[in-house]
Amino acid sequence: ILNVEQSPQSLHVQEGDSTNFTCSFPSSNFYALHWYRWETAKSPEALFVMTLNGDEKKKGRISATLNTKEGYSYLYIKGSQPEDSATYLCAFADYKLSFGAGTTVTVRA
Amino acid sequence: DAGVTQSPTHLIKTRGQQVTLRCSPKSGHDTVSWYQQALGQGPQFIFQYYEEEERQRGNFPDRFSGHQFPNYSSELNVNALLLGDSALYLCASSLTGLVESPLHFGNGTRLTVT
Repeated sequence: ILNVEQSPQSLHVQEGDSTNFTCSFPSSNFYALHWYRWETAKSPEALFVMTLNGDEKKKGRISATLNTKEGYSYLYIKGSQPEDSATYLCAFADYKLSFGAGTTVTVRA
Repeated sequence: DAGVTQSPTHLIKTRGQQVTLRCSPKSGHDTVSWYQQALGQGPQFIFQYYEEEERQRGNFPDRFSGHQFPNYSSELNVNALLLGDSALYLCASSLTGLVESPLHFGNGTRLTVT
């Protein structure tokens, strides 16, 4: 059973502030790491799929980095907005996706 | 372009009963995966279907079975329901099931077993 851990479990951010959180995964036999955003009452939405060590991906104000050698990825939100409130899931990919429990971000106006 | 659709949205069953959940993948996708999400946990992989066959399976008992039809839609069947089967069941589709392919999820079916 693969251990994918996300921290913190939840965080509160003031509108306009930037924040980041972590996904830790096994550093051996790496294939890909996925990030998903899951807003309340919606379905999870793919943000990034990262495959190479040192990868950096960006989508609007959200970006992610990847370190496969030490087994972690950071997701950054710059200038948080209320619409960024969601649970952010990372998933380690081998023949399936093994998800972490998520980081729930609440942006306060 | 329709995304992934799941039915029903909610379901209440009694212990020991059987349930069937349905999923239509995103147009153009040929691979369907099923996940179970219990409260406070991330989604757990149940199995994946490709070309009408179960290609991969997670750590779930044989009470969980599935099917994929020629039009790529899929069903998840759970027999002899237990209280612990209460969860949100998510269907996700992708193209070919490659690990680099992002999953497209449905809104899920909330199953409550009483």
